[in-house]
Amino acid sequence: QVQLVESGGGMVQPGRSLRLSCAASGFAFSTYGMHWVRQAPGKGLEWVAVIWFDGNNKYYADSVKGRFTISRDNSKNTLYLQMNSLRAEDTAVYYCARDKSSGGSRGMDVWGQGTTVTVSS
Amino acid sequence: QSVLTQPPSVSAAPGQKVTISCSGSSSNIGNNYVSWYQQLPGTAPKLLIYDNNKRPSGIPDRFSGSKSGTSATLGITGLQTGDEADYYCGTWDTNLSAWVFGGGTKLTVL
Repeated sequence: QVQLVESGGGMVQPGRSLRLSCAASGFAFSTYGMHWVRQAPGKGLEWVAVIWFDGNNKYYADSVKGRFTISRDNSKNTLYLQMNSLRAEDTAVYYCARDKSSGGSRGMDVWGQGTTVTVSS
Repeated sequence: QSVLTQPPSVSAAPGQKVTISCSGSSSNIGNNYVSWYQQLPGTAPKLLIYDNNKRPSGIPDRFSGSKSGTSATLGITGLQTGDEADYYCGTWDTNLSAWVFGGGTKLTVL
């Protein structure tokens, strides 16, 4: 079945780095755009980044631009989020989600279960 | 503040109908597809409506979406207690080159 499974979350000190992974299965991963979306405790959804099907186009929320990098390995059916210079306000559940298109503008039809990132000293 | 504006909360009785609004601008809702998401407590979001008014397979026709100009609306009929959740609208913003979500609306079925 179509599935996304995130991993790599945990507790990290401010200023440190963390890399999240999202393993995709059950569909042609290389033909879909992929997003990262996060949700801080008790807050709403916040979009983080998107990468197009071939990795050639990437867009970021202003809140993470210059600190986070989205990437993908289509040979491994895996999406990544490299998070550097982490701040307390990056604490959230991070979801990966599939776009309905090869880009990133049609909506997210498949979601992972989420992985929790806690930034604290 | 979110780029898309939703009411923080709505409520209605079981069996009744409710609508949730989502207001934006020409750079987002006005020129791009709108989608709606349901997030039940403690779970990941789920796609309810895409391309303004289409339902993914498995989503009952009690859920509907519409768009007019720079606003979109989610409608839910025949409310059930299981519909209690947070609902989010979302779309691409051409000026920002970013996806944007509304702030979310908490639905209470009284």
